[in-house]
Amino acid sequence: DAGVTQSPTHLIKTRGQHVTLRCSPISGHKSVSWYQQVLGQGPQFIFQYYEKEERGRGNFPDRFSARQFPNYSSELNVNALLLGDSALYLCASSPYGTSGNTIYFGEGSWLTVV
Amino acid sequence: KQEVTQIPAALSVPEGENLVLNCSFTDSAIYNLQWFRQDPGKGLTSLLLIQSSQREQTSGRLNASLDKSSGRSTLYIAASQPGDSATYLCAVGSYDSGAGSYQLTFGKGTKLSVIP
Repeated sequence: DAGVTQSPTHLIKTRGQHVTLRCSPISGHKSVSWYQQVLGQGPQFIFQYYEKEERGRGNFPDRFSARQFPNYSSELNVNALLLGDSALYLCASSPYGTSGNTIYFGEGSWLTVV
Repeated sequence: KQEVTQIPAALSVPEGENLVLNCSFTDSAIYNLQWFRQDPGKGLTSLLLIQSSQREQTSGRLNASLDKSSGRSTLYIAASQPGDSATYLCAVGSYDSGAGSYQLTFGKGTKLSVIP
């Protein structure tokens, strides 16, 4: 079975632009979470979606938004990009919202803002 | 607010040595704790998941322990190999039953180098 897949793998954007990152969870998984990992730091929680509803949001500005589609795939959108948004964006999936189970991460999308 | 600290930040050991990575957290009201491995430029691979009611988990050469009352977890790696070289991340899971939300709070990781 395919793991968590993310696209694009790398992208470069200019300050002020908008970016959309995509994630397909493991088949059968209904929960998708997004994390931001700045170089040298641990990942930070951005959003969790379960059954197409936002269930949790980390300490990120409103420029960050996400949604989950009927097939449980997800998009992360970031508006008005800042240099500080440069990071590895990780998507994770799990079968249920509570995740007493292992959570599985994708390979991430590397975003560079110039 | 949960804070997770990992010590040491970096560790270099000769092949074959046994080693311990440490993780501490400030809020003992955790749902579970996971250890992950991250290779350079890559995503995270789950190594071990310990539920809040458990004391330890083992997988192959890896053993993770959890002491909620003291806010500590350790990852023990036996007979280290060069292929174990990676960054190891500790992540504390918290669940908000009202919102139905689960999230991980990560430490900054321990970068391990195993020298042949």
